[in-house]
Amino acid sequence: DIQMTQSPSSVSASVGDRVTITCRASQGLSRWLAWYQQRPGTAPKLLIYAASSLQSGVPSRFSGSGSGTDFTLTINSLQPEDFATYYCQQANSFPWTFGQGTKVDFK
Amino acid sequence: QVQLQESGPGLVKPSETLSLTCSVSGESISAYYWSWIRQPPGKGPECIGYFYYGGNTYNPSLRSRATISGDTSKNQFSLKLTSVTAADTAVYYCARIDSTSWYKFDYWGQGALVTVSS
Repeated sequence: DIQMTQSPSSVSASVGDRVTITCRASQGLSRWLAWYQQRPGTAPKLLIYAASSLQSGVPSRFSGSGSGTDFTLTINSLQPEDFATYYCQQANSFPWTFGQGTKVDFK
Repeated sequence: QVQLQESGPGLVKPSETLSLTCSVSGESISAYYWSWIRQPPGKGPECIGYFYYGGNTYNPSLRSRATISGDTSKNQFSLKLTSVTAADTAVYYCARIDSTSWYKFDYWGQGALVTVSS
């Protein structure tokens, strides 16, 4: 299985901050990577697919980059509703696997 | 708008079979791929497998305990997981896989907590 490692595991930030989360794959993925946001008690929500494509309806302050084994999710100008846990997920080979998550909380 | 809703028992005894159903509205299950994903408390999600009209694929980590099937007459698909243990305690989600574009999980159910305990 492809292992997905996210860093940091948690980050404290304030409204208006820029937050960057990284995801590293144990094997090359090309651009087969997605990012999800999960608020407490709810299902994950798709933000980014194909490493950098914004899912319909997702605010443009979210962006993704990278290819191969190293990927980044950036949230520009953090909003109150962005405090949540974020997961990367590879779709290069089955079983598709997720990272362990990065929690963004209030500083 | 595509909507998914999980249903099934919230408590299952060890060694028994976990059974969940996902009811889909707004899209036919004959189109796209449909998946079960679970998330143990405090951990990241794990893809159990997926079903499509013509076959299915399972995560080898489940050691052949999982079966995913569909009922097009009811527009539902189901998960059966045999010989459960406490390690199978998790929130179970059903989700659509947009197989036309990068195999992304684009619609999710709200999740069903299943606890394995005697």
